Amino acid sequence: GQQVMQIPQYQHVQEGEDFTTYCNSSTTLSNIQWYKQRPGGHPVFLIQLVKSGEVKKQKRLTFQFGEAKKNSSLHITATQTTDVGTYFCAGPTTGNQFYFGTGTSLTVIP
Amino acid sequence: DGGITQSPKYLFRKEGQNVTLSCEQNLNHDAMYWYRQDPGQGLRLIYYSQIVNDFQKGDIAEGYSVSREKKESFPLTVTSAQKNPTAFYLCASSPREGTNEKLFFGSGTQLSVL
Repeated sequence: GQQVMQIPQYQHVQEGEDFTTYCNSSTTLSNIQWYKQRPGGHPVFLIQLVKSGEVKKQKRLTFQFGEAKKNSSLHITATQTTDVGTYFCAGPTTGNQFYFGTGTSLTVIP
Repeated sequence: DGGITQSPKYLFRKEGQNVTLSCEQNLNHDAMYWYRQDPGQGLRLIYYSQIVNDFQKGDIAEGYSVSREKKESFPLTVTSAQKNPTAFYLCASSPREGTNEKLFFGSGTQLSVL
């Protein structure tokens, strides 16, 4: 069935270092979404990518959708303690529902 | 203040007991969803509903039941048939069904077994 694999599962960085999480799918995705979940909180929508090779930026966050629409990445430049949380990608299944990746838990060390 | 409200925040279930988790939204969204979140795993879809009086099973529906009698409400019952119910349960909604819509999540219910 549809699976979206996300790596790494955990990442610890010093404040000011960069961070990247990757999502990979075995099948072509029509779109991909990214969510952030703060510790003890609920997922909050960040962005949706639709076009092949699309790149979108939100301040220090850069989102990319691969040319083949099978992978995506989220890159954070110069991490801050406010970036702490788990980042999930979500892609559509064959049943047109969301399939969430396992998430990458980011810890930022001050 | 619009949004999705889940209650209770914490819930404890005894052996053989059914428990119901509440989810209410005032966003006028058609679609509603229930997800289960376990440590180290992604969100897994339990049930979803596109419209009142209609709902479909997700990937892990066994041991759960839902109803959608009103547009605003989508309660989830964790039955005694669910042998491993301890998890964080998230309710979500979207304006319409489909993955071009973004999901709005409630604050979740942590269910534990006594």
